[in-house]
Amino acid sequence: NAGVTQTPKFRVLKTGQSMTLLCAQDMNHEYMYWYRQDPGMGLRLIHYSVGEGTTAKGEVPDGYNVSRLKKQNFLLGLESAAPSQTSVYFCASSYTPGGDKENIQYFGAGTRLSVL
Amino acid sequence: AQSVTQPDIHITVSEGASLELRCNYSYGATPYLFWYVQSPGQGLQLLLKYFSGDTLVQGIKGFEAEFKRSQSSFNLRKPSVHWSDAAEYFCAVGWFGGKLIFGQGTELSVKP
Repeated sequence: NAGVTQTPKFRVLKTGQSMTLLCAQDMNHEYMYWYRQDPGMGLRLIHYSVGEGTTAKGEVPDGYNVSRLKKQNFLLGLESAAPSQTSVYFCASSYTPGGDKENIQYFGAGTRLSVL
Repeated sequence: AQSVTQPDIHITVSEGASLELRCNYSYGATPYLFWYVQSPGQGLQLLLKYFSGDTLVQGIKGFEAEFKRSQSSFNLRKPSVHWSDAAEYFCAVGWFGGKLIFGQGTELSVKP
């Protein structure tokens, strides 16, 4: 039972570099989410997706792009990394049609990103 | 706008003592309510949830939470804390098919 898998687990970037974080889920969930976690601020939603081929902005979308080409994968891209994007990034997924109604989100283990 | 407040940033309790973590929310209707726990270097694990019905809900690891509509609160409790409970705890509100809004988190330390 892999659940939600995030790769990579750690990454160090220089300012201006680009990278893509991958999230994969094997629970046939419709919805997927990307959060960032910063000290004292809880988790803030960056982007989310309610189905394959659809994405939407969350609370803090600036500087990030996402794609959901396949139902099981949700990619988060940083086109030109900035030190303010140093954070821990979490992916989550939820909702199987016909399943729970409470939108329980299941989380990956996170990606620690440092931008120098 | 919807919001979640966890007034205590850091709490320290002695092992074996009781614990209560506070959570207040602002929302136009009765939301779905969640408590998640995050151990160091790990992702978030669901402790318990409230959807409807009995306002006292039981979760994993001996935790429980009580929904009080009049106070817009969903406080987490445990009668006897174990050293392994040291972690960060997040309260969250959500709704069907929608996003979750998280509180700022409460870090719990446990003294021997």
